[in-house]
Amino acid sequence: EAGVTQFPSHSVIEKGQTVTLRCDPISGHDNLYWYRRVMGKEIKFLLHFVKESKQDESGMPNNRFLAERTGGTYSTLKVQPAELEDSGVYFCASGDRARSEQYFGPGTRLTVT
Amino acid sequence: AQRVTQPEKLLSVFKGAPVELKCNYSYSGSPELFWYVQYSRQRLQLLLRHISRESIKGFTADLNKGETSFHLKKPFAQEEDSAMYYCALSGAFYAGGTSYGKLTFGQGTILTVHP
Repeated sequence: EAGVTQFPSHSVIEKGQTVTLRCDPISGHDNLYWYRRVMGKEIKFLLHFVKESKQDESGMPNNRFLAERTGGTYSTLKVQPAELEDSGVYFCASGDRARSEQYFGPGTRLTVT
Repeated sequence: AQRVTQPEKLLSVFKGAPVELKCNYSYSGSPELFWYVQYSRQRLQLLLRHISRESIKGFTADLNKGETSFHLKKPFAQEEDSAMYYCALSGAFYAGGTSYGKLTFGQGTILTVHP
């Protein structure tokens, strides 16, 4: 069975540009989470989808970040416009129940120059 | 607010030596505690969770509510244990709009086991 996949694996963009990250969860997993690790800091929660609904978006840093999960399958996280402090590794995770094990993707390394 | 603290960023031991990775937490309620591990060039994966009370790859962790700790231990470290270890917490109930699914991570401990 394929695990959680993320695309792209690495993205380098200039400040002010837009980037869209994609996450494909494990098939059948209703719960999808986004996290990020900024250099030197801990992994921090961004938001949680249950199917296509945003269950909790308390970790989204500001309105430059927009997450969607149309149809309850894959999810996208758009950063527009990107700032230098957005650089880091963005992880996606999925789980079949809210308190079940979360399966992580390999992450997308975002570099904003 | 929930918080997880891993006081050691780096930990080095020799093969065969005991190892303990420390984790302390703060949470107003009954949390669920996890240890996640990331080996070189691999993705983050669950090592163990306190409710399972299992020993995985020789590692154990006991939840001590009095000391609010969840230290990870292994009596005899192996070279293949070298990795980044994260302690994480999940809340045990919904509070307003707060999801109990989200994980709060510590900063991680890089464990190096020397031959």
